[in-house]
Amino acid sequence: QQQVKQSPQSLIVQKGGISIINCAYENTAFDYFPWYQQFPGKGPALLIAIRPDVSEKKEGRFTISFNKSAKQFSLHIMDSQPGDSATYFCAASTDSNYQLIWGAGTKLIIKP
Amino acid sequence: EPEVTQTPSHQVTQMGQEVILRCVPISNHLYFYWYRQILGQKVEFLVSFYNNEISEKSEIFDDQFSVERPDGSNFTLKIRSTKLEDSAMYFCASRGQVQAGELFFGEGSRLTVL
Repeated sequence: QQQVKQSPQSLIVQKGGISIINCAYENTAFDYFPWYQQFPGKGPALLIAIRPDVSEKKEGRFTISFNKSAKQFSLHIMDSQPGDSATYFCAASTDSNYQLIWGAGTKLIIKP
Repeated sequence: EPEVTQTPSHQVTQMGQEVILRCVPISNHLYFYWYRQILGQKVEFLVSFYNNEISEKSEIFDDQFSVERPDGSNFTLKIRSTKLEDSAMYFCASRGQVQAGELFFGEGSRLTVL
């Protein structure tokens, strides 16, 4: 009930392509869905986040798509660049405690 | 830009020893967290802290763990008697009240228990 399932585990995309990472959750009480980007040796950094009242949120080349009925959300990175190579984590929490439940992470490699 | 700072960046300790990991959250933040990440695995919630007390803790956060905000700026995680399985990257995070939900993470403290 508390899990967030993330796929794929790893992803290789050509420069300029679209990177897509998917997450699914079970707990319908979750109402905050952030994506974090982590570079080696660094802490996770918030990339973009969405709440269930919208189905899509876009910030620059990064878009979250949210499907409340399917309990799924995904991160799309348009025009992927080598500097986007990192590990991406989806997460979910409720508004009451912001205790983030994390996905397992996706290691993204963008090939030049 | 304000940031969360953590020390030490890496600590090596013998099994059974006590370890204290230190964090300086962003100055006007009110909510503080510790997470850990075992190498190659997902990030796991340990504990949240607000108004000088623990607000939530996970099953991982047993009697061997404690947190403290001793002087209004530092936020510490103490492991009383370290075990091999405590080897992990420990991340401190903080959150202000205005930017609800956005956690700012430190760069982590790598703990290696031998």
